[in-house]
Amino acid sequence: AQSVSQHNHHVILSEAASLELGCNYSYGGTVNLFWYVQYPGQHLQLLLKYFSGDPLVKGIKGFEAEFIKSKFSFNLRKPSVQWSDTAEYFCAVKSYGGATNKLIFGTGTLLAVQP
Amino acid sequence: DGGITQSPKYLFRKEGQNVTLSCEQNLNHDAMYWYRQDPGQGLRLIYYSQIVNDFQKGDIAEGYSVSREKKESFPLTVTSAQKNPTAFYLCASTGTYNEQFFGPGTRLTVL
Repeated sequence: AQSVSQHNHHVILSEAASLELGCNYSYGGTVNLFWYVQYPGQHLQLLLKYFSGDPLVKGIKGFEAEFIKSKFSFNLRKPSVQWSDTAEYFCAVKSYGGATNKLIFGTGTLLAVQP
Repeated sequence: DGGITQSPKYLFRKEGQNVTLSCEQNLNHDAMYWYRQDPGQGLRLIYYSQIVNDFQKGDIAEGYSVSREKKESFPLTVTSAQKNPTAFYLCASTGTYNEQFFGPGTRLTVL
C-alpha cells in the first residue's frame, strides 16, 4: 500500500533559522506531490504542488520543495523562517493515473518558531 | 465567495447517538472527501465520492455513513457504532489539478 512518511513530528526553530522538513513516499510510478499547511485555527491550505517539469517547486510565503525521484522524497524548505510560520505541515501524494483522486497524507510536522 | 463550508464548528454528542456533519461546496467540484484528523496521525480518509449518487469507503469507514444526493453536498453521519468518534472532521473537494480544497472543519466531542 502507498504510504507517506514525515520523519520530523515536532520541530522548534528560532526566527531566521533555515527549515527543511522531510517527506518520503512509497510508490514507484508517477506521482503528484503536495505540501499543505494548517495555521492555528485556520483551514488546511495548499502550500505548493509538483506535477511535472522542474523538480524544484516554489510555493507561497517563500517556501519551496524539491522532488528527488531516486530518493522518493519531496522535502520542504525555507531559508529563513518567521514566527508566523508556526503551523502544522502535511505532505501528501497522489499516484498518477489512479482510478481516484485520493491523496495519501503524512502524519504531519508541527513547527514552532520562537521569536 | 467560492469555497467549502462545514457546520457546525463544534458539536457535542452523547454516547449512543448518531450525529450528522454538514459539508457544502460551491466550487462545482465533482469529487468530495471526508477526513478525520487526530493528533499525531495526520489525515485519515473516511469516505469519498467522485460523482453524485456514488461514494466509496476510505481507510477508516467503519461507524460512518455518507450520502451524495447533490453535487454541492456531502454529509457525514457518525453513528453509534463508531468506537472513538471524538475528533476533528475535515471535508474537502478536488480541483482541476487534483489539489484538494478543505473546509474549516467540525470538532466533534462525545460526552
